[in-house]
Amino acid sequence: DAKTTQPPSMDCAEGRAANLPCNHSTISGNEYVYWYRQIHSQGPQYIIHGLKNNETNEMASLIITEDRKSSTLILPHATLRDTAVYYCIVSSADSWGKLQFGAGTQVVVTP
Amino acid sequence: DGGITQSPKYLFRKEGQNVTLSCEQNLNHDAMYWYRQDPGQGLRLIYYSQIVNDFQKGDIAEGYSVSREKKESFPLTVTSAQKNPTAFYLCASSNQGLSYEQYFGPGTRLTVT
Repeated sequence: DAKTTQPPSMDCAEGRAANLPCNHSTISGNEYVYWYRQIHSQGPQYIIHGLKNNETNEMASLIITEDRKSSTLILPHATLRDTAVYYCIVSSADSWGKLQFGAGTQVVVTP
Repeated sequence: DGGITQSPKYLFRKEGQNVTLSCEQNLNHDAMYWYRQDPGQGLRLIYYSQIVNDFQKGDIAEGYSVSREKKESFPLTVTSAQKNPTAFYLCASSNQGLSYEQYFGPGTRLTVT
C-alpha cells in the first residue's frame, strides 16, 4: 500500500495558486517526499522533491511540515496545462529509487 | 535532446504471443525501471535495474522478463504467462544517489486480444 494519502480530486481556477496536500504520517527519517504529475496518456513528469526543508524550483514549491508528517505542493499560478494527476510519494535511497504510486490527486484547472 | 524513448507508442498482439517493448535512454543514468499502469490506477513497478547486467523484480514481475546488456537499454518482454497483459507500460531512468528523480518515457500502450 502507498505510504501517502491525498485527496482524490480538486479544482483550481486558472491564474490562482493550487495547494495540493499530502499526508505521510509514517515517513522515516531518511525518506524523501517526491511529487510527480501525469497528464492524460503521457508518462509521469518529475516536479520536485525534498527531505526536510522547503524547496522551490521553476515549476512549484514544496512545503514540508516540521514534523515531516505532511506536505503541500504549491503551483503558484495554475494554467490549463497544469490539469493532471499529481502523485505524492515517499522513498529513500535504501529502496533504490523504487517509487510506490498511489491513486494521486486529479487536479482540474478551469478558466 | 536527452531523454527516454519508448517504441512503439501503440502495440497490438494476439493472446499467446510474447512481445518485447523497447526502452532507450541517453541521459547516462545508471538505474532504469519498468512500470505498468491500468486504467484509473497508479503505476506499479515490474522490474528495475541499478547497473548493467543486473536487475531485480518489482511488485508485479510475474509473466514479465527483462535484460540489461547496455547501460542505455532496458527492454521488457511480456510473455504469454502474463494473464492480463493489456495495459500502459512506462519506462523510467534515474541517477543513483541519496535521492532518485525518475524521468519517464512516453509509454507504450499494449493491447492483447
